[in-house]
Amino acid sequence: GAGVSQTPSNKVTEKGKYVELRCDPISGHTALYWYRQSLGQGPEFLIYFQGTGAADDSGLPNDRFFAVRPEGSVSTLKIQRTERGDSAVYLCASSALAGPSTDTQYFGPGTRLTVL
Amino acid sequence: AQKVTQAQTEISVVEKEDVTLDCVYETRDTTYYLFWYKQPPSGELVFLIRRNSFDEQNEISGRYSWNFQKSTSSFNFTITASQVVDSAVYFCALRGPNSGYSTLTFGKGTMLLVSP
Repeated sequence: GAGVSQTPSNKVTEKGKYVELRCDPISGHTALYWYRQSLGQGPEFLIYFQGTGAADDSGLPNDRFFAVRPEGSVSTLKIQRTERGDSAVYLCASSALAGPSTDTQYFGPGTRLTVL
Repeated sequence: AQKVTQAQTEISVVEKEDVTLDCVYETRDTTYYLFWYKQPPSGELVFLIRRNSFDEQNEISGRYSWNFQKSTSSFNFTITASQVVDSAVYFCALRGPNSGYSTLTFGKGTMLLVSP
């Protein structure tokens, strides 16, 4: 596709449930990023993939959060035992190269997660 | 640590007015990159500009212009002759080697409302 796509656009779940959020990056982009945006705040970094491997997962808030990118393209962010505080918009971005001078991150429309 | 401050939470202008969005950053890096993104009501972050720390030339793109001043750690964004379609939240962001060049540190954003 032309841009980064994310599914679902909205997800409502109950506290304690498991959710998966999907990101489909721009074709050919090797780097993929997940951010979380709470209401009235800027996006906050969660995890970054270079190819299939997680190059930096320092932003994941705890071990309930996990992400994979098994074939180096589509990525899934997984949240176990969801809590109300996990409610936010989860943004995915991709870039052609994860280098300091060449890459710009292009963002998808986000998935709005609501935990009741 | 890196930090981006956008002191203006919300700005309201009337169409055709000029408006400047302020961005002040903190970093210990000598090489870093600064960005502006636009987030319209649809939610998708739209890339506007990237500057590196060695290039202090101001840039103009149509009605948009950017003023980068390293001496004051500021990277301000001006919209000339604003239009209703400019209404959005605007984010300033920073990336540098302290973050492995992989992650963006965002400010909290400035909501711009342009009324007809």
